[in-house]
Amino acid sequence: AQSVTQLGSHVSVSEGALVLLRCNYSSSVPPYLFWYVQYPNQGLQLLLKYTSAATLVKGINGFEAEFKKSETSFHLTKPSAHMSDAAEYFCAVSDANQGGKLIFGQGTELSVKP
Amino acid sequence: DAGVTQSPTHLIKTRGQQVTLRCSPKSGHDTVSWYQQALGQGPQFIFQYYEEEERQRGNFPDRFSGHQFPNYSSELNVNALLLGDSALYLCASSPRDSPTEAFFGQGTRLTVV
Repeated sequence: AQSVTQLGSHVSVSEGALVLLRCNYSSSVPPYLFWYVQYPNQGLQLLLKYTSAATLVKGINGFEAEFKKSETSFHLTKPSAHMSDAAEYFCAVSDANQGGKLIFGQGTELSVKP
Repeated sequence: DAGVTQSPTHLIKTRGQQVTLRCSPKSGHDTVSWYQQALGQGPQFIFQYYEEEERQRGNFPDRFSGHQFPNYSSELNVNALLLGDSALYLCASSPRDSPTEAFFGQGTRLTVV
């Protein structure tokens, strides 16, 4: 069975500081990995995804994530936080045999201080 | 392209009632998945429809049922509502040959009182 663990339900950074949101996964088959962002009272927007190509994945809004098989991790980073980055972030895992079924982590709320 | 559209956006129901939520997929998408997101939690997979049939199902009781129409739109039905069914219900659509290309709608906020 697949699962996702997001370390830290809440992360607070200052504007301009590095953003690091942690995600570890468990999967018995090569995974597909995703990061989604959710703004209040809205649906999910895809930030980036890993589907077995390059291990360093670049996404929208300056975010990127690195797939590390040895650490079963897929941490999300952004060099410089902006106030507009404040939102809930979800890591998710799927595999090619699941037809797109996504297993989500519990989410990490990112706060950005001025 | 309107993307994935869900209706209604908000809904209040009484315990024991039945509810129907609707989803229109993104143009070119033929697969629809439904997720339940309780407050403060990550979304949980309910089921997926393709070719008007339920293809996969998560760990949800039979009170949760669905339907897909020939135009690929979908409905989620929940019978005998419980207070615990209060949540944001998200619909995601994707092309059958690219299941990782999922797009989510804005969701329907269901409150059961």
